[in-house]
Amino acid sequence: DTAVSQTPKYLVTQMGNDKSIKCEQNLGHDTMYWYKQDSKKFLKIMFSYNNKELIINETVPNRFSPKSPDKAHLNLHINSLELGDSAVYFCASSQDKGVGDTQYFGPGTRLTVL
Amino acid sequence: ILNVEQSPQSLHVQEGDSTNFTCSFPSSNFYALHWYRWETAKSPEALFVMTLNGDEKKKGRISATLNTKEGYSYLYIKGSQPEDSATYLCAPDLLRSNDYKLSFGAGTTVTVRA
Repeated sequence: DTAVSQTPKYLVTQMGNDKSIKCEQNLGHDTMYWYKQDSKKFLKIMFSYNNKELIINETVPNRFSPKSPDKAHLNLHINSLELGDSAVYFCASSQDKGVGDTQYFGPGTRLTVL
Repeated sequence: ILNVEQSPQSLHVQEGDSTNFTCSFPSSNFYALHWYRWETAKSPEALFVMTLNGDEKKKGRISATLNTKEGYSYLYIKGSQPEDSATYLCAPDLLRSNDYKLSFGAGTTVTVRA
């Protein structure tokens, strides 16, 4: 069983479109995250939810909107996609709010905006 | 801006040789340091988490040390094997904007040559 799964694995779309990436964890964790791997390969935190409540909201364009229907799922919706949104997006989860807790990562979603 | 620096960016090791590399981070506002191992086309996987100055952790042939006073950690690989080839990420939990968040370094990519 995959602990943290993301769909789709690859996403190719046109500029201006709206798309969603889904994440699910079956670890029973309370906290989930979205990271963006930038052009320099850094993993940068975008959002974090703890028990469906937003706890981290980094400086991210408001075209990005996370949604957590339950604590096992954290989806990422992106409106009006831009070329600069092309990146690999990683979902992760941890048992608690993250301080000192190990994070478990999904396989990543490679988004390409044409 | 919180600087997490890993050095070197990449290194090549002959099978059987030992190697080490560093992670430096701001020593103030520090809570914990995580090391992750990231193989190509896979997700980052947790290796260690350390919190106390002088902490040492070991997992098989891989070990890590922590100096919180001067803000650095070493990761050591003893008797490198081809399966050790991966990018090794360090990520300190640092206080930012009244909350602790993981800040990832860019990684050290290790290639073990048979």
